[in-house]
Amino acid sequence: NAGVMQNPRHLVRRRGQEARLRCSPMKGHSHVYWYRQLPEEGLKFMVYLQKENIIDESGMPKERFSAEFPKEGPSILRIQQVVRGDSAAYFCASSPPSPGVGDTQYFGPGTRLTVL
Amino acid sequence: AQSVTQLDSQVPVFEEAPVELRCNYSSSVSVYLFWYVQYPNQGLQLLLKYLSGSTLVKGINGFEAEFNKSQTSFHLRKPSVHISDTAEYFCAVSDPSADYKLSFGAGTTVTVRA
Repeated sequence: NAGVMQNPRHLVRRRGQEARLRCSPMKGHSHVYWYRQLPEEGLKFMVYLQKENIIDESGMPKERFSAEFPKEGPSILRIQQVVRGDSAAYFCASSPPSPGVGDTQYFGPGTRLTVL
Repeated sequence: AQSVTQLDSQVPVFEEAPVELRCNYSSSVSVYLFWYVQYPNQGLQLLLKYLSGSTLVKGINGFEAEFNKSQTSFHLRKPSVHISDTAEYFCAVSDPSADYKLSFGAGTTVTVRA
């Protein structure tokens, strides 16, 4: 059973460009979470999605960031007009269709975004 | 809101020696606690978690952790490490009312030497 897949693994963008990060959850999983890790800090929760629904986006910056998880295809984290402060590692995690109490989230290897 | 402090950023240790990784959290409510490990070029993998019950939690690969509510700590231990335990270790906490929202520490890099 393949794990959580993220691509690209490394992404370089110039200031003002758009960044699109993709996450394919584990087979059978329908819940996706995105986290961001800034340098020297721990992972911070950004957003929780189910298929075609945003459940909790309380950790998302108010501007330039958006996330989706369509009925078909991977989840996408989109950052418009990137700035140097967006440079970070972005991790995706997934969990089964009916997550239980304290259920395990399965993490991908992350996408390292560098903004020049 | 919870926060997590991992007190050591780097822990070098010799093979077959014991290791302890320290984790303290701050929260005004009850919490769930987790330890994850990240091997090079891989995703984070769950080592163990505390939800309720016994304060001593056993996980995979011979790791265990003890929840201490009075000291708000959840330290991770292994009595004898292997070279293959070289990795980065993350402590995380969540609020049971939104248990999917994990808050992580900055991580501890463990380097095991022969």
